Amino acid sequence: NAGVTQTPKFQVLKTGQSMTLQCAQDMNHEYMSWYRQDPGMGLRLIHYSVGAGITDQGEVPNGYNVSRSTTEDFPLRLLSAAPSQTSVYFCASSYTPGGPGTEAFFGQGTRLTVV
Amino acid sequence: AQSVTQLGSHVSVSEGALVLLRCNYSSSVPPYLFWYVQYPNQGLQLLLKYTSAATLVKGINGFEAEFKKSETSFHLTKPSAHMSDAAEYFCAVGSSASKIIFGSGTRLSIRP
Repeated sequence: NAGVTQTPKFQVLKTGQSMTLQCAQDMNHEYMSWYRQDPGMGLRLIHYSVGAGITDQGEVPNGYNVSRSTTEDFPLRLLSAAPSQTSVYFCASSYTPGGPGTEAFFGQGTRLTVV
Repeated sequence: AQSVTQLGSHVSVSEGALVLLRCNYSSSVPPYLFWYVQYPNQGLQLLLKYTSAATLVKGINGFEAEFKKSETSFHLTKPSAHMSDAAEYFCAVGSSASKIIFGSGTRLSIRP
């Protein structure tokens, strides 16, 4: 069982470039989310989805787009990269009907540097 | 709004000593609380969770946490630290929409 798979693991972008971070899960989880991790700030929620075709904004959505066309995939798009988006990005999934006590399963992360 | 506060961004203990990582929560409803661990260059994995079944929760790798409503705390402990426990630890609270809100993290170092 692969769990949550993120690609790429590392990426360097120039300011203004665009890219898509990929996330796929094979656990048939309805709920998926994207977080960014910055030193001293923990993980902050960027966007989340409670099922195919349904997405919503989290705490820090500006500069990022998402879509959810299938249960398995939840890509995160950076439209015009900025140095402030240098961070480690984590994708997570969970079984939504389990309620707020449901654990999230995390991918290995994508380390993004914007120069 | 729900939130968690982790006290101490860095904790250092000797191998074999008690590990105590502090977490306080704020919630207007009975909270669902988690501790996650992140080893270097890896994703997060669940250590343990509190869902109101028992106030003392046992997790993996010998860790446990006690929910204290009167103190709004959910501190993580381990009686005897191992070198392999060196990692970053995150306290988190689950919201009603299955969103998880994380604390800022505590980096645990183990001295030989």
